Amino acid sequence: SAVISQKPSRDICQRGTSLTIQCQVDSQVTMMFWYRQQPGQSLTLIATANQGSEATYESGFVIDKFPISRPNLTFSTLTVSNMSPEDSSIYLCSVSGTGGTYEQYFGPGTRLTVT
Amino acid sequence: AQSVTQPDIHITVSEGASLELRCNYSYGATPYLFWYVQSPGQGLQLLLKYFSGDTLVQGIKGFEAEFKRSQSSFNLRKPSVHWSDAAEYFCAVVRDGGFKTIFGAGTRLFVKA
Repeated sequence: SAVISQKPSRDICQRGTSLTIQCQVDSQVTMMFWYRQQPGQSLTLIATANQGSEATYESGFVIDKFPISRPNLTFSTLTVSNMSPEDSSIYLCSVSGTGGTYEQYFGPGTRLTVT
Repeated sequence: AQSVTQPDIHITVSEGASLELRCNYSYGATPYLFWYVQSPGQGLQLLLKYFSGDTLVQGIKGFEAEFKRSQSSFNLRKPSVHWSDAAEYFCAVVRDGGFKTIFGAGTRLFVKA
């Protein structure tokens, strides 16, 4: 299983500003995933990030609002841009298990509050 | 489209009692099914998974789940609940050849003494 760390663990931000969340994996992985979990809700996939190519965004999420970088096989960042209170959520990164097992390993999450 | 339904938003059981959390899926092919747990202050952790073969799968922390194709269900069970099992439980299915995971809405488990 992969060990994933995220920074920051939490933040309180002013509306209109941006926050970049970092995700570090202890092994090389092809695909990394970013999820949003709004208060009391389930997980919603924002985008899939492959190293060396642009991220693939799910319906309802756009690159201008959630730009993603994937500079190498162990690291990715998600930026939440021009934040509003509706962006207050937990943001999680994850990777898939190896060998075609498809389970997800998650980071501890970043709890974002926008005031 | 693939989907996962967890009909119970929350469930309360007494410590020591048995537990069953329901999950129904909508998927055209043989599904890859998972249960995850999210404990307060902790991240999401995989409890168990089903790919094929034996329809009763064992997981961590004494949990098990049974795949029933005829009912499109993958219910999670535990014979005796401990107070530490209080958490949010998510059923999930993989789609798009393994590239995307769809999560159910979750069931919050409360355990009373």
